[in-house]
Amino acid sequence: DGGITQSPKYLFRKEGQNVTLSCEQNLNHDAMYWYRQDPGQGLRLIYYSQIVNDFQKGDIAEGYSVSREKKESFPLTVTSAQKNPTAFYLCASSIDRSVVFGSGTQLSVL
Amino acid sequence: SQQGEEDPQALSIQEGENATMNCSYKTSINNLQWYRQNSGRGLVHLILIRSNEREKHSGRLRVTLDTSKKSSSLLITASRAADTASYFCATPEGGSEKLVFGKGTKLTVNP
Repeated sequence: DGGITQSPKYLFRKEGQNVTLSCEQNLNHDAMYWYRQDPGQGLRLIYYSQIVNDFQKGDIAEGYSVSREKKESFPLTVTSAQKNPTAFYLCASSIDRSVVFGSGTQLSVL
Repeated sequence: SQQGEEDPQALSIQEGENATMNCSYKTSINNLQWYRQNSGRGLVHLILIRSNEREKHSGRLRVTLDTSKKSSSLLITASRAADTASYFCATPEGGSEKLVFGKGTKLTVNP
């Protein structure tokens, strides 16, 4: 079964800590994305990658970092510079206008 | 940058009624997509309508697109309690596959 997997489902961050959210896809999609969703809000783009070893900042990249060393994987690190990290994070991948989303990671601050 | 804006922000109806949600966008597009999100879950793609199409159907869903008014609507007919979810429209930014989402319409269908 092809799909996109995010882990963990719930994550807690302490003050000053960096945390990494995992996103893996076996759909052979070239493009991958990270979105942030706050309660009652739409999705805002953090970072996206159209090809391996390349990624671009989205609208709210400050305080976040990504890597794209493999086609299947696009991990997102929420750094200590992100002062308001509590949100629902969604990863997606796409090819030819077909977009598939993961089930999300809820990040909370302890 | 916010491209699509859904209206209304929230909608509450009874089972069996129709639900209509609207989306307005700002720049020219080559397609517009509608997604559904159950609470605390990822988004599920519902339907894509191309800029040269005016109407598209999928089961109980009907989507219209008016490029002259830069607006789209999603109609869910004969709604069911299981249709309760948030619905988002999304448009590609520029010529890329990068999607820009609106804030969504939260639909509640009461049994």
